[in-house]
Amino acid sequence: KQEVTQIPAALSVPEGENLVLNCSFTDSAIYNLQWFRQDPGKGLTSLLLIQSSQREQTSGRLNASLDKSSGRSTLYIAASQPGDSATYLCAAGTGANSKLTFGKGITLSVRP
Amino acid sequence: KAGVTQTPRYLIKTRGQQVTLSCSPISGHRSVSWYQQTPGQGLQFLFEYFSETQRNKGNFPGRFSGRQFSNSRSEMNVSTLELGDSALYLCASSLWSNQPQHFGDGTRLSIL
Repeated sequence: KQEVTQIPAALSVPEGENLVLNCSFTDSAIYNLQWFRQDPGKGLTSLLLIQSSQREQTSGRLNASLDKSSGRSTLYIAASQPGDSATYLCAAGTGANSKLTFGKGITLSVRP
Repeated sequence: KAGVTQTPRYLIKTRGQQVTLSCSPISGHRSVSWYQQTPGQGLQFLFEYFSETQRNKGNFPGRFSGRQFSNSRSEMNVSTLELGDSALYLCASSLWSNQPQHFGDGTRLSIL
């Protein structure tokens, strides 16, 4: 059974810092790893998806990496801004269908 | 391009009642998945539909059911509501398996 862990549960940083959010998973037989952002009272916004054959994906100030052998993924946020404050969730896709197993998320606060 | 639309946004029900939630996926998307989000358990997979067929089901009791129509719109039904069913119910759609999933803003269900 796949388990996804995100530690710490909360993080507070000053504006402008580069930061790394970690995600670990127990079953390395994943199809993909997806990072999402959730704002209070809202649904999830897809940020990046890394296929199992890929090592990383980039979008603007975001870079996500995947190391299947160690069961880890990281989301790198460059030059953080107050607007980046949200909960960040990672999810592992472990089947040929679309089922995702989610971590509990990291609540990020970027202080002006 | 319209995103995933979920209706209604909010629902208040009492124990023992039943409820139906609706999800309209992004145009052209054939896969629709449902998730339950609670503060304690996080996001948990309910089921996934593809071309009107349920392809995968999570570990929820039979009171939770769903269906998908020929236009890919999906509904989920919860019968004999319990207090523990209070949650944010999220729907996600994707073109097909192993593609980015796009979420709606959810239906917040409160059971009194």
